[in-house]
Amino acid sequence: GQQVMQIPQYQHVQEGEDFTTYCNSSTTLSNIQWYKQRPGGHPVFLIQLVKSGEVKKQKRLTFQFGEAKKNSSLHITATQTTDVGTYFCAGPRYAGGTSYGKLTFGQGTILTVHP
Amino acid sequence: NAGVTQTPKFQVLKTGQSMTLQCAQDMNHEYMSWYRQDPGMGLRLIHYSVGAGITDQGEVPNGYNVSRSTTEDFPLRLLSAAPSQTSVYFCASSPRAGVSYNEQFFGPGTRLTVL
Repeated sequence: GQQVMQIPQYQHVQEGEDFTTYCNSSTTLSNIQWYKQRPGGHPVFLIQLVKSGEVKKQKRLTFQFGEAKKNSSLHITATQTTDVGTYFCAGPRYAGGTSYGKLTFGQGTILTVHP
Repeated sequence: NAGVTQTPKFQVLKTGQSMTLQCAQDMNHEYMSWYRQDPGMGLRLIHYSVGAGITDQGEVPNGYNVSRSTTEDFPLRLLSAAPSQTSVYFCASSPRAGVSYNEQFFGPGTRLTVL
């Protein structure tokens, strides 16, 4: 079945350093979503990428979708302590025809930012 | 709108006990789902529903039952709790079912411990 792998599992950075997490799917994705979960909180939707090669920015966050639509990355420039949390990628699972029934999540990358 | 609500926030069970985790959303979303989150495992789908009266299994359905009698509610039942079901449980909803653009809105979670 469809698998979504995410690396690294953990990342420790000093405040001000950059951070990148990578997501790879075993199958082509129609789109990919990114979520952030603060410690003790629940996942919150960040963004969705749909087009091959798409790049989107949200302030210091840059999201990319690969040309083959099987991989994606999230890059944070000059991390801040508010960036602490777990970042998940997720891809919809194709269920036949035009139907998508499930969302498969990567294992997540836990980001720690040292002040 | 309250969004997605879950009760209880914390629960301790003994092995063999049964209980129901409650989930409700007031956004008239078609799609609802239950995930469990364990360290290093990401979010794993337990069951999901594409509308009232329609449910289906996710990746890890064993030991859990669901029903969807109304659009708003999607309870998760643990039939006979086991220590392996100790986890954090998240309910999520999406506006439309069967489409690839499925931004998920998550509830605050239920932290369950089975002794």
